[in-house]
Amino acid sequence: EAGVTQFPSHSVIEKGQTVTLRCDPISGHDNLYWYRRVMGKEIKFLLHFVKESKQDESGMPNNRFLAERTGGTYSTLKVQPAELEDSGVYFCASSQDVGGQGLSYGYTFGSGTRLTVV
Amino acid sequence: AQSVAQPEDQVNVAEGNPLTVKCTYSVSGNPYLFWYVQYPNRGLQFLLKYITGDNLVKGSYGFEAEFNKSQTSFHLKKPSALVSDSALYFCAVRVSGGSYIPTFGRGTSLIVHP
Repeated sequence: EAGVTQFPSHSVIEKGQTVTLRCDPISGHDNLYWYRRVMGKEIKFLLHFVKESKQDESGMPNNRFLAERTGGTYSTLKVQPAELEDSGVYFCASSQDVGGQGLSYGYTFGSGTRLTVV
Repeated sequence: AQSVAQPEDQVNVAEGNPLTVKCTYSVSGNPYLFWYVQYPNRGLQFLLKYITGDNLVKGSYGFEAEFNKSQTSFHLKKPSALVSDSALYFCAVRVSGGSYIPTFGRGTSLIVHP
C-alpha cells in the first residue's frame, strides 16, 4: 500500500509569505496527525484529525497556523504569515487504530516537509 | 505530564559491535513506550513498542528494547550493528489511560562506522 505522502518536500519562503503543506494519509486511515520538529529538538504534536473533524488541536502554536481536512481525506496545513521561528520539519502521520491511539500499529509517518523561513 | 529524555545527541559504534540508544521517561501512571527510526529523506518508521507484558520487546531489523520500570528507562539495543542502521532514532511515551498523543524525545543520531 502507498505510504503517507507529503509535499512539498522542501519549501523556502520569505518571512511574511504564506505556505501550504499537504499530507495524503494512507487510504482508509481516519486518524491524521501533524507534528513539527525544530532543528535538534523534540518532535512536537500540532493537531489530530479524526476524519474531517479536529479531535485535538492543543499543539497548534498560534492562529497563524490553519489546518484543514475537507472530506476526511488529505489535509493541508497553512502558515500565514510565516515567521522565522516557523522553520522546521513538518511531519504528517496517520493511524488506523480505533480512537487514534496508535497502539496496535503505531503511526505511519510521511517523510516530512522541510520549511525554511528566511 | 509526560516527558522523554534521550541523553545522547549522537552515538557512534563500529559495525559488528553491540549498540545501545538510551531513553528515559517520566509519566504519571503506566507508560506505553515506542521507538521510531528515521532514515535520511524518509519518514519515521515504527520499530517496536512496549504496552504490557514481557519487559524485553523485539522489533524490526533485529532491534530490541528493555522496559525497566525502576529506572524508568526503555533503551534500544541491537547485538550487532550494521552500517545501514545509521539513522535518527526517536523514543516516545504516552501514559496508559491518558492522552493518546505520544510525547517524543529529541532524537539520537546513530552512526555505525564500517
